[in-house]
Amino acid sequence: GAVVSQHPSRVICKSGTSVKIECRSLDFQATTMFWYRQFPKQSLMLMATSNEGSKATYEQGVEKDKFLINHASLTLSTLTVTSAHPEDSSFYICSASGLAGGFAGELFFGEGSRLTVL
Amino acid sequence: DAKTTQPTSMDCAEGRAANLPCNHSTISGNEYVYWYRQIHSQGPQYIIHGLKNNETNEMASLIITEDRKSSTLILPHATLRDTAVYYCIVSSGGGADGLTFGKGTHLIIQP
Repeated sequence: GAVVSQHPSRVICKSGTSVKIECRSLDFQATTMFWYRQFPKQSLMLMATSNEGSKATYEQGVEKDKFLINHASLTLSTLTVTSAHPEDSSFYICSASGLAGGFAGELFFGEGSRLTVL
Repeated sequence: DAKTTQPTSMDCAEGRAANLPCNHSTISGNEYVYWYRQIHSQGPQYIIHGLKNNETNEMASLIITEDRKSSTLILPHATLRDTAVYYCIVSSGGGADGLTFGKGTHLIIQP
């Protein structure tokens, strides 16, 4: 199946710093990418939707100035957590949708990035 | 998208069939039923999806009731590696619109 890769898989940072997480679709063009957040023992929560070349659409309650999303190409989207604080510690997962040989609208997920803010 | 209800957790013996139920009584006519699973500390993995007819692939079978208000995911011969949280999701847009995850069922395969 299609592959979506995230980097880094784990990151530890100090409070107040910014962290960038990359999401790449390795073998298909992702017209739409989604970013999810998952706290321990909870389900995935959709944060935002991004389409290549346009501004991301954020879900209610998600601060767009804190979670900067850039989708500059059909294979790369980045999530930057600005001025991170301990409450931002979470598992961040990206997913991509595109024509990758599967069914129309099939969603492929990255491996996730675990952020720990000290 | 319609809401789904799943049991919080289930146990199944290794080698036996695991049957995971899902209720989606408010499903509308253009909504598909999707199943994904998430193994601990990994991203979700697509399993199967269907609209009205039962579906089968190399991973699982999906049985949808005639009124479409509920469905069952069947893993025919469960292995220890099938231990995961299984999410039943109904959506008209599928991945194109993103998916809304509920709490899922934590399936534990016992040796």
